[in-house]
Amino acid sequence: NAGVTQTPKFQVLKTGQSMTLQCAQDMNHEYMSWYRQDPGMGLRLIHYSVGAGITDQGEVPNGYNVSRSTTEDFPLRLLSAAPSQTSVYFCASSYGGHTTEAQYFGPGTRLLVL
Amino acid sequence: RKEVEQDPGPFNVPEGATVAFNCTYSNSASQSFFWYRQDCRKEPKLLMSVYSSGNEDGRFTAQLNRASQYISLLIRDSKLSDSATYLCVVNNGKTSYDKVIFGPGTSLSVIP
Repeated sequence: NAGVTQTPKFQVLKTGQSMTLQCAQDMNHEYMSWYRQDPGMGLRLIHYSVGAGITDQGEVPNGYNVSRSTTEDFPLRLLSAAPSQTSVYFCASSYGGHTTEAQYFGPGTRLLVL
Repeated sequence: RKEVEQDPGPFNVPEGATVAFNCTYSNSASQSFFWYRQDCRKEPKLLMSVYSSGNEDGRFTAQLNRASQYISLLIRDSKLSDSATYLCVVNNGKTSYDKVIFGPGTSLSVIP
């Protein structure tokens, strides 16, 4: 049981390039989310999904796209990278939408946009 | 006012000390509350949920005060391994995670 996995661990992009951050979980969780974490700020929700085929925007969705074709995978796409997207990105999953559910996080992807 | 605020820290305490963190939230309709721990350059991990009646897990005690809209985390007999950033998390939604708000975290360093 690998939990939540993310690839790559590190990435350097030039402004304008696109890329996909991969996220997978093997816990059969319905809920998956993408967050970014910047110094001095709490984790901010980018996009989330409540099940395969269903996605919705979080607090900071601009510049990012997601899709959820399977329960296991939830990739995050940067359409045209900007320096403001330099951050640490975490993918998370949880079993269901109960109010007491906690989330399991992947190890993160550190992204630098030049 | 930010939705979730935490003590700014950093907290530097000697081994064996007791330390307490507070977290205030602005939405009186908040549904659930958690404390996460995040080690340097690692992912957040759930430390404990916070229940209305308060709950304890070993050296850790969490309390919720709905009237004053804050939660607290008490760590007794601090260990070197407790050094981390502690994130307060508030869920303002009933069934989905679009209303999960993370605080900025409080840094704890336990000194030998």
